[in-house]
Amino acid sequence: ELKVEQNPLFLSMQEGKNYTIYCNYSTTSDRLYWYRQDPGKSLESLFVLLSNGAVKQEGRLMASLDTKARLSTLHITAAVHDLSATYFCAVGINSGGSNYKLTFGKGTLLTVNP
Amino acid sequence: DARVTQTPRHKVTEMGQEVTMRCQPILGHNTVFWYRQTMMQGLELLAYFRNRAPLDDSGMPKDRFSAEMPDATLATLKIQPSEPRDSAVYFCASGLVRPKANTEAFFGQGTRLTVV
Repeated sequence: ELKVEQNPLFLSMQEGKNYTIYCNYSTTSDRLYWYRQDPGKSLESLFVLLSNGAVKQEGRLMASLDTKARLSTLHITAAVHDLSATYFCAVGINSGGSNYKLTFGKGTLLTVNP
Repeated sequence: DARVTQTPRHKVTEMGQEVTMRCQPILGHNTVFWYRQTMMQGLELLAYFRNRAPLDDSGMPKDRFSAEMPDATLATLKIQPSEPRDSAVYFCASGLVRPKANTEAFFGQGTRLTVV
């Protein structure tokens, strides 16, 4: 069974600081996703990573994928309060034919303090 | 503005009642997912469909839950009878799954279910 582990689960940081959220997964996968969820809201897609070494950046967030290590990172640069949210990684597994499942980590609750 | 639409947004019901949640996927998407989100378990995959056919519902309690796609524009998730432990936010997501392609799942706003 695929396991997707995020750490830390809770992250409190000051504005202007840098930090990294880690996502480890237990089975070979060819696609990795990062989502953001604000309290009481839906999940918003941030990044899709499809190959080993893939790196994507949007504003203060940068995501990378190492398929050999089964590890993805979400790096936050110079955090601002607006980044406060829960961040999820999700791993896509093709289990045969067109059977494609998306399994989520537990999420990282990020709080950026002034 | 294409989006996944879920109804109702909120539902409060008494234990033992039937609950039906509806989802309209984004037009043209071939895959629909149902997820349940709770504080304790996080996001759990309940079921998913490809081209309206159920592919995997192993995450769903079979005795009380059922999921269907009567047509390409409607997916339903039913709970009968409902129990307090079913209280959660239920999300529907849709996506266009293609080999080696940039496949994303787009989420609806969710149905917040409270069973009292």
